[in-house]
Amino acid sequence: DTGVSQDPRHKITKRGQNVTFRCDPISEHNRLYWYRQTLGQGPEFLTYFQNEAQLEKSRLLSDRFSAERPKGSFSTLEIQRTEQGDSAMYLCASSQKTTGELFFGEGSRLTVL
Amino acid sequence: QKEVEQNSGPLSVPEGAIASLNCTYSDRVSQSFFWYRQYSGKSPELIMSIYSNGDKEDGRFTAQLNKASQYVSLLIRDSQPSDSATYLCAVRTSILNSGYALNFGKGTSLLVTP
Repeated sequence: DTGVSQDPRHKITKRGQNVTFRCDPISEHNRLYWYRQTLGQGPEFLTYFQNEAQLEKSRLLSDRFSAERPKGSFSTLEIQRTEQGDSAMYLCASSQKTTGELFFGEGSRLTVL
Repeated sequence: QKEVEQNSGPLSVPEGAIASLNCTYSDRVSQSFFWYRQYSGKSPELIMSIYSNGDKEDGRFTAQLNKASQYVSLLIRDSQPSDSATYLCAVRTSILNSGYALNFGKGTSLLVTP
């Protein structure tokens, strides 16, 4: 499978715990994005990487959220001290510079109890 | 706030009919426009991209773009029950201009009835 891969697909955690999601983009794509989606809403942009550099971060992203993309390959999104409002689908997408079309992974669904 | 607006629906059409989905955007300098399909519980799947004014056809799907009116639409011909999904309009806006990130609408729910 050469698509975008995300892990875990589902995560249930208690409020206050830390969680980490991983994304493996399509291999030839140098741009990687994280989005968040809640029920009835479209995906909301969180952050973007070009290779290993984090070039854009949404104002919506609190300081409890951090993302990395070491060596420009896979990326991780960590949420510290989770809150119930963090419950959402976290989507990773990748793209090539030339087309700009984003291709999404299956998402990681987070439930904070 | 640069926005992408869609009617949330649901839009209900009979099988075999044409479904027309509409989207307006507020950023006049937007250059790239995309339609994604999202089944319940799944992630968005790219259907079409359009960059120039006019129509672009791909199988049963036609995307239409009118930059002067800041309007983009998606037509689905010969609608099938399997087309029932939420359709997301996405626009590359100048606010997110460093990385080609997309700004999404809330989506229109389409129901194709047999």
